[in-house]
Amino acid sequence: DAMVIQNPRYQVTQFGKPVTLSCSQTLNHNVMYWYQQKSSQAPKLLFHYYDKDFNNEADTPDNFQSRRPNTSFCFLDIRSPGLGDAAMYLCATSFRPSGANVLTFGAGSRLTVL
Amino acid sequence: GENVEQHPSTLSVQEGDSAVIKCTYSDSASNYFPWYKQELGKRPQLIIDIRSNVGEKKDQRIAVTLNKTAKHFSLHITETQPEDSAVYFCAASIKGTNAGKSTFGDGTTLTVKP
Repeated sequence: DAMVIQNPRYQVTQFGKPVTLSCSQTLNHNVMYWYQQKSSQAPKLLFHYYDKDFNNEADTPDNFQSRRPNTSFCFLDIRSPGLGDAAMYLCATSFRPSGANVLTFGAGSRLTVL
Repeated sequence: GENVEQHPSTLSVQEGDSAVIKCTYSDSASNYFPWYKQELGKRPQLIIDIRSNVGEKKDQRIAVTLNKTAKHFSLHITETQPEDSAVYFCAASIKGTNAGKSTFGDGTTLTVKP
């Protein structure tokens, strides 16, 4: 089945220890997004790639970086995780232009910072 | 930028009753309005959407209405069932701009009591 796959599903790291989360998709969508979702809150967009063009949200901390080496893969790097970065990280994809911004989400990577 | 407000934050209904969730948006240029359902520990999934050239859309027990003039849209679930219990997010986006980023409401936790 075409889908969005995130790894790992659960990541535990220590304060300040870098973490990389990965996302792959078989939908051939040209847009990939990274959202941060904290408990009982709405997903918050960190950044997205529209093809190879990187778009950072104004309030995304510098601690968060992203890479998209090819159409299928996208990575979220957290350089020095703090306690406040503990959250679910959701990858999503969409196809533009299609007249609608339908998001297909991955299952998420839950990050715990000790 | 776009601001989406969602109400209520929690909603509890008896099985078989109807549930209504309302959202307002600020940017009159927004023209695509999806609703996502997120069950506990799972990814958000699109359940219904509406575009600005349509006033109402229905899919079995779920319907969405849009009032462009008032800039609000609503999700209606009829004959609710326990499996409808989840967090529901509304979103708004603008077709054709910057990959059509979605702005989410804060979510509504719906509980359907058997």
